[in-house]
Amino acid sequence: QQQVKQSPQSLIVQKGGISIINCAYENTAFDYFPWYQQFPGKGPALLIAIRPDVSEKKEGRFTISFNKSAKQFSLHIMDSQPGDSATYFCAASGNAGNMLTFGGGTRLMVKP
Amino acid sequence: DAGVIQSPRHEVTEMGQEVTLRCKPISGHDYLFWYRQTMMRGLELLIYFNNNVPIDDSGMPEDRFSAKMPNASFSTLKIQPSEPRDSAVYFCASSRTFSNSPLHFGNGTRLTVT
Repeated sequence: QQQVKQSPQSLIVQKGGISIINCAYENTAFDYFPWYQQFPGKGPALLIAIRPDVSEKKEGRFTISFNKSAKQFSLHIMDSQPGDSATYFCAASGNAGNMLTFGGGTRLMVKP
Repeated sequence: DAGVIQSPRHEVTEMGQEVTLRCKPISGHDYLFWYRQTMMRGLELLIYFNNNVPIDDSGMPEDRFSAKMPNASFSTLKIQPSEPRDSAVYFCASSRTFSNSPLHFGNGTRLTVT
């Protein structure tokens, strides 16, 4: 099964708050887990990615947490800003490749 | 670098007509991917190419869809005949290698079939 399940579908956070988006996968062959950010009228852009050999990766205000045994991973956006308002997609693939299976997306709104 | 360039940005056509979507990948990228985005099904991979050769087309929905890459700087996705259920945003993306290399998306073509 190639499915990647993402939640929540939408999220509203106050400026300065923490945004948390969760994903779960089924295929144990997946070994590459990127997150993409998409603004209206634009294509998705790679935000941050993780491999299963580490449990956490941080880049600036963005952190991925990865739980291999639970087959779950999440994106945390610290100190959320109105400019972070976008749709976020988790994805997964095998062989660390770009043949990605995407989650359904989370529409994040950060209120000023 | 101009990024991945797609044209047209918007396409409105009538059911039964042929539609051709175009993509210019980033120079030096050996892999090109076509994805489709709909509200119901999200982002789905349709087909990808390596060095202009189609590698996996298992995501192409049916024979009405075809994709070509005649050279390293140009790819097309054709739908003939088009149907209303083909309405979606079609994205082209490219990467330097298959793995360990970021996937860069274009801004998409919004297709509406009436």
